[in-house]
Amino acid sequence: EAGVAQSPRYKIIEKRQSVAFWCNPISGHATLYWYQQILGQGPKLLIQFQNNGVVDDSQLPKDRFSAERLKGVDSTLKIQPAKLEDSAVYLCASSSIRAGTDPEAFFGQGTRLTVV
Amino acid sequence: AQKVTQAQTEISVVEKEDVTLDCVYETRDTTYYLFWYKQPPSGELVFLIRRNSFDEQNEISGRYSWNFQKSTSSFNFTITASQVVDSAVYFCALSAGTRGKLQFGAGTQVVVTP
Repeated sequence: EAGVAQSPRYKIIEKRQSVAFWCNPISGHATLYWYQQILGQGPKLLIQFQNNGVVDDSQLPKDRFSAERLKGVDSTLKIQPAKLEDSAVYLCASSSIRAGTDPEAFFGQGTRLTVV
Repeated sequence: AQKVTQAQTEISVVEKEDVTLDCVYETRDTTYYLFWYKQPPSGELVFLIRRNSFDEQNEISGRYSWNFQKSTSSFNFTITASQVVDSAVYFCALSAGTRGKLQFGAGTQVVVTP
């Protein structure tokens, strides 16, 4: 079974530029997550989709971050304009829907963003 | 509000020693799930174990075991007979409220030397 695919693996941009990340979840997984992991910290949820609807985006800085999941499969996360503090690893994860339990999430390898 | 605390920043052991990682959580929800994830240098978070709030039975899975105690809100994780490949950052995480949303601790770096 193929895992969660993310691209690019690395990105370096200047502040105020825009950037986009792409994620392809595990086939059949209805739930997709974007997490931000700043160096030395645990991941923090930015947005959670179920199919193509948003379940939770309470910690997404909506003035500069946006995300979409068209057709309930692939997803893109965009930052515009980027700030220095956006330097982090952006992790995509997916999980299935399973009645009666909270299924584990499977993570991609992440995109390491450096804003200079 | 949910909170996960991993007080240990780094643990260094020699191969074959046991390693116990501490995790303390806070939540007002009565139904919740606790997880342990491993993050090797490659960066990918790897799922290790999951426990729900109604099951305090402690188990062993291979070299991994866990101790879940609701009375102290702790979910500790032990690696028995550590190996160099166990070197990684280990995260404890809590899922409560929004289903599937994980609240992670800050992580504990485990260094296993030969």
